[in-house]
Amino acid sequence: SAVISQKPSRDICQRGTSLTIQCQVDSQVTMMFWYRQQPGQSLTLIATANQGSEATYESGFVIDKFPISRPNLTFSTLTVSNMSPEDSSIYLCSVGPQTGTSTGELFFGEGSRLTVL
Amino acid sequence: AQSVTQPDIHITVSEGASLELRCNYSYGATPYLFWYVQSPGQGLQLLLKYFSGDTLVQGIKGFEAEFKRSQSSFNLRKPSVHWSDAAEYFCAVGANDYKLSFGAGTTVTVRA
Repeated sequence: SAVISQKPSRDICQRGTSLTIQCQVDSQVTMMFWYRQQPGQSLTLIATANQGSEATYESGFVIDKFPISRPNLTFSTLTVSNMSPEDSSIYLCSVGPQTGTSTGELFFGEGSRLTVL
Repeated sequence: AQSVTQPDIHITVSEGASLELRCNYSYGATPYLFWYVQSPGQGLQLLLKYFSGDTLVQGIKGFEAEFKRSQSSFNLRKPSVHWSDAAEYFCAVGANDYKLSFGAGTTVTVRA
């Protein structure tokens, strides 16, 4: 299975600022996704991070608020822009199978817990 | 659109007793089904998955789940619960695009 490292693991941010979360995988993977888990809630898919092209956003999420990059098959970033207290959540990176395999499994990082004051 | 319902928000079970967590899904085709566990302050760990074949799936930590197409269910079971099983459990449904829809989760409390 893939090993996923997310940074930062947690942060406290001021309203109106932006924060970039990094996701590093120890092997090349076909798919990378970003999820949000609001306090006491389940996970919601924000977007699919596409290598070398614009991310594909789910309904209710827009690029201006959550710009995403994926420069290669092992790395992606999610930026939470112009933050408000409603953005306080855990943001999780997830990855699909390693290139050349097809397990159907998604693996998750440990998440980045953001608190916006 | 795919969706998942976990009817039980919170379950309390005694250590050593059996556990069953319910999951119902809505999906137009044959789904990929998953159970994940999330311990406090941790990420998600995959317990087991179902793609096709045998409808009774064995997972890690002594968990199993049974896919019942007629009932659109994928319930998770464990014969004897350990205190370390106290966590949040999420059922998820997806397809070969790897986009998952998660249920609301069930919190399991284990009492001594």
